[in-house]
Amino acid sequence: DAGVTQSPTHLIKTRGQHVTLRCSPISGHKSVSWYQQVLGQGPQFIFQYYEKEERGRGNFPDRFSARQFPNYSSELNVNALLLGDSALYLCASSPGPVYEQYFGPGTRLTVT
Amino acid sequence: KNQVEQSPQSLIILEGKNCTLQCNYTVSPFSNLRWYKQDTGRGPVSLTIMTFSENTKSNGRYTATLDADTKQSSLHITASQLSDSASYICVVSAKLGYGGSQGNLIFGKGTKLSVKP
Repeated sequence: DAGVTQSPTHLIKTRGQHVTLRCSPISGHKSVSWYQQVLGQGPQFIFQYYEKEERGRGNFPDRFSARQFPNYSSELNVNALLLGDSALYLCASSPGPVYEQYFGPGTRLTVT
Repeated sequence: KNQVEQSPQSLIILEGKNCTLQCNYTVSPFSNLRWYKQDTGRGPVSLTIMTFSENTKSNGRYTATLDADTKQSSLHITASQLSDSASYICVVSAKLGYGGSQGNLIFGKGTKLSVKP
């Protein structure tokens, strides 16, 4: 069985642009969470979706948005990119909100 | 505020030696505690998960302990190998609905372990 997959693996964007990151959960998992991990820090919670509904949101500005599709895959969108948005963006899936989360390999975003 | 503190920040040991990483938390209400291994630029991989009633759990050369009274956990690595070089992250799960803006998982900043030959 495939694990959590994320695309793209690496991305370079310019300040002010927008970006869309994608995540496919493990088959059968209905919950997807997004995390931002700045170099040298632990992951910071951004969003959690379950059954296509937002179940939690971290302290991130409205420039960050996400959605979950009927097949439980998810997109994270970031508008008006800032240099400080440069980070590893992690997606984690689980059968439901309270179950063990399995992380994908991450998308490395660099904003120049 | 729910917090997870890890120590040391970084650690260098020789191959074959043992080491212990520490985690203190102030998360309430507590659900479980997890240790993850994260290779540079990769997603975290779960090593152990412990609930309130569990004192110790092993996964190969990794042994995690939990003292729910003092809100402390440790990860002991035995006979270290070069492949153990990674960041080790302690993650505490709050019961659903209590994590607030942090979500129900509260992450420590990790301990960066380097194993040298």
